[in-house]
Amino acid sequence: EPEVTQTPSHQVTQMGQEVILRCVPISNHLYFYWYRQILGQKVEFLVSFYNNEISEKSEIFDDQFSVERPDGSNFTLKIRSTKLEDSAMYFCASSEAEGGTEAFFGQGTRLTVV
Amino acid sequence: AQRVTQPEKLLSVFKGAPVELKCNYSYSGSPELFWYVQYSRQRLQLLLRHISRESIKGFTADLNKGETSFHLKKPFAQEEDSAMYYCALSGLASGTYKYIFGTGTRLKVLA
Repeated sequence: EPEVTQTPSHQVTQMGQEVILRCVPISNHLYFYWYRQILGQKVEFLVSFYNNEISEKSEIFDDQFSVERPDGSNFTLKIRSTKLEDSAMYFCASSEAEGGTEAFFGQGTRLTVV
Repeated sequence: AQRVTQPEKLLSVFKGAPVELKCNYSYSGSPELFWYVQYSRQRLQLLLRHISRESIKGFTADLNKGETSFHLKKPFAQEEDSAMYYCALSGLASGTYKYIFGTGTRLKVLA
């Protein structure tokens, strides 16, 4: 069964450094998402991406965040200058179509900012 | 405002007992409702969605539009059902679809 894959599984970075979280969505999917989950809290929407542009972003997704689909297969989330409060589990997801269809999630990247 | 509420953070039941995980939602329009499950150290995976009206691993959920609820039920819990369960909705907002998750309920099935 096709899967969404994320790398790395765990990333430790120093405050102020840039990190890039990588995702390979399922190949025929057209809609891509990033979510994050701070320890003990709910899964929060960050951004959705379709047709090579951001469809929607949440209040969390401020100027330090950016997303890219650099080569037609990878989907990356960049955090420019990490803060302690960016420590969380980041999930990538993809879906075949808009709403009403299953979103397939990656296994997540645990980001720890020290 | 779009919101999914799961009032219970933790639900413990004995094996063989019935289970009901509560989910209420707030949405103006007609959302799609889902239940996702996350077993220990694994990814979020779809358990079921209201439009398919199927039973997966013995779980069912009925959308009650009057009560804006989508509670997850299973008549006889098994130990392997122990996991985090997230209720989610997907709906058109600001011109695009996105999935909104509840805070999750940890189900512990005791032997």
